[in-house]
Amino acid sequence: AQKVTQAQTEISVVEKEDVTLDCVYETRDTTYYLFWYKQPPSGELVFLIRRNSFDEQNEISGRYSWNFQKSTSSFNFTITASQVVDSAVYFCALSEGAGAQKLVFGQGTRLTINP
Amino acid sequence: DSGVTQTPKHLITATGQRVTLRCSPRSGDLSVYWYQQSLDQGLQFLIQYYNGEERAKGNILERFSAQQFPDLHSELNLSSLELGDSALYFCASSASRQPRGSPLHFGNGTRLTVT
Repeated sequence: AQKVTQAQTEISVVEKEDVTLDCVYETRDTTYYLFWYKQPPSGELVFLIRRNSFDEQNEISGRYSWNFQKSTSSFNFTITASQVVDSAVYFCALSEGAGAQKLVFGQGTRLTINP
Repeated sequence: DSGVTQTPKHLITATGQRVTLRCSPRSGDLSVYWYQQSLDQGLQFLIQYYNGEERAKGNILERFSAQQFPDLHSELNLSSLELGDSALYFCASSASRQPRGSPLHFGNGTRLTVT
């Protein structure tokens, strides 16, 4: 069965520190997609990034960057120069099943950025 | 704003009752998904509809049912409610029929409290 593990339940850092959220996945599929979503205190789920299994290029978007390594089945997310507004729960997810988007989510990492 | 609309935002009801959660997908999206977020189970996929037809089922209880109407809005019906059904219920939508790579766009959720 496919599984996503976010071992860090909670992380607390001081503003402007860099922080990395870990995500490890398990799948037998050769083609799969990985996602990161953000859930701020207001509760909605916000899509951040998608990565397919054939594209191992790292991606950077402003202060956010993602490191995908198939060799270690990891898809880690780094926030550089964190800000208080980055405080949220972050979920890593894996697509499961052909023809349907049954996302399998990790348990989430609660990130608190302290001023 | 994801473009996915869920109503109501909050729902408080008693055990044994029945409720209906409503979702309007983003304009143009044909697929609708329902997810349940609870403290103990995390984010769990319930069911997917594509253009009015059920496409995939996840961990959905028999007491729960859903449908997608010709105008593409969807309803999730929860009956014989139990305390354990208290959770945040998300609706999400995506564009294509086999959207493994398509990100899901989530609504703000309906928070159900069963007392």
